[in-house]
Amino acid sequence: NAGVTQTPKFQVLKTGQSMTLQCAQDMNHEYMSWYRQDPGMGLRLIHYSVGAGITDQGEVPNGYNVSRSTTEDFPLRLLSAAPSQTSVYFCASSLRSGSGNTIYFGEGSWLTVV
Amino acid sequence: EDKVVQSPLSLVVHEGDTVTLNCSYEVTNFRSLLWYKQEKKAPTFLFMLTSSGIEKKSGRLSSILDKKELFSILNITATQTGDSAIYLCAVLIQGAQKLVFGQGTRLTINP
Repeated sequence: NAGVTQTPKFQVLKTGQSMTLQCAQDMNHEYMSWYRQDPGMGLRLIHYSVGAGITDQGEVPNGYNVSRSTTEDFPLRLLSAAPSQTSVYFCASSLRSGSGNTIYFGEGSWLTVV
Repeated sequence: EDKVVQSPLSLVVHEGDTVTLNCSYEVTNFRSLLWYKQEKKAPTFLFMLTSSGIEKKSGRLSSILDKKELFSILNITATQTGDSAIYLCAVLIQGAQKLVFGQGTRLTINP
């Protein structure tokens, strides 16, 4: 049981490049989400999904796309990277939305855009 | 706009001291409040509080929620250097399927 797996752990991108952060969970969780964490700002919700085929925007969705074709996977795509997207990204999952004490976080992906 | 505010943002104390971290919130539809500890990587869950006035306790850590005054506190007694971390407060929004986080409090315990 691997929990929530994020890849890559570290990435440097040039402005304008695109990339995908991968997130997979093996717990059959319905709810998955992506957060970014910037210094002094806590975690902010980018996009979330309540089940396969369903996604919705969070607080800071601009510049990011997501899809949820399977229960297990929830990739985050940066379409044209900008320096403002330099951040630490966390994927999270839970069995159901609202089960706050069983939200599992991935280890994080450190992204630098130069 | 849903908002969670933590104070202080940074705190440095000596080992053995007791600390109190604060979290206040203004949200449209409160479901519960959560505390996390974050060291170098992902946040790890500490407490979930749903009802006012009921203290949750785990070892030297305890937390309580006041839904009338819209705040929560996290207490750590007899602090140790291993308590050094960022402590995050988050509110789970009913129906909106999301956690709203505060900025975090960076706690440093000096030996």
